[in-house]
Amino acid sequence: EDQVTQSPEALRLQEGESSSLNCSYTVSGLRGLFWYRQDPGKGPEFLFTLYSAGEEKEKERLKATLTKKESFLHITAPKPEDSATYLCAVQHSGSARQLTFGSGTQLTVLP
Amino acid sequence: GAGVSQSPSNKVTEKGKDVELRCDPISGHTALYWYRQSLGQGLEFLIYFQGNSAPDKSGLPSDRFSAERTGGSVSTLTIQRTQQEDSAVYLCASSPGTGSYEQYFGPGTRLTVT
Repeated sequence: EDQVTQSPEALRLQEGESSSLNCSYTVSGLRGLFWYRQDPGKGPEFLFTLYSAGEEKEKERLKATLTKKESFLHITAPKPEDSATYLCAVQHSGSARQLTFGSGTQLTVLP
Repeated sequence: GAGVSQSPSNKVTEKGKDVELRCDPISGHTALYWYRQSLGQGLEFLIYFQGNSAPDKSGLPSDRFSAERTGGSVSTLTIQRTQQEDSAVYLCASSPGTGSYEQYFGPGTRLTVT
């Protein structure tokens, strides 16, 4: 059974204070690892897909990396508008296409 | 272009009533998914449609839950004889289906069963 564990559950940063969010996963053959951002009262917003260990993707202040057991979402010099819940999900390489999600990291960036 | 849309945005119903939730996927996306997000829990997969293939219903929690997809586009999730534990946000997502696996989510329908 696929499992995704995210840490920490909550993170408070001062504006400009860089940090990383962790996503550990267990999956029987990884097709892709996905990062989403979710604002209160909204659906998850797609950020990145990572397919193989060593891969990195960047978007503005966010950079996602992938190893064989975990993924990190690095946030450089965050701003208050980066405050949201960040979700990690995996899709395994079998015929099923659904995503298995972690419980998320709630990020608060204080001005 | 237009994203995934869902209606209604909020639904309050009495225990025992049936409800229908609607999803309009991104035009041209062949894959459609329903998930449920309960307070304090992660997103839980419910059902998956891919083109004209039989749906993957492996995530439906009970036989009170069903879904259909008409014409390969719009989907309706039906919950019969609603229970209080069905209260959650129901999220729909669509995906191009081939060669690209990211799923794009709608805003969700918040269902409250009283």
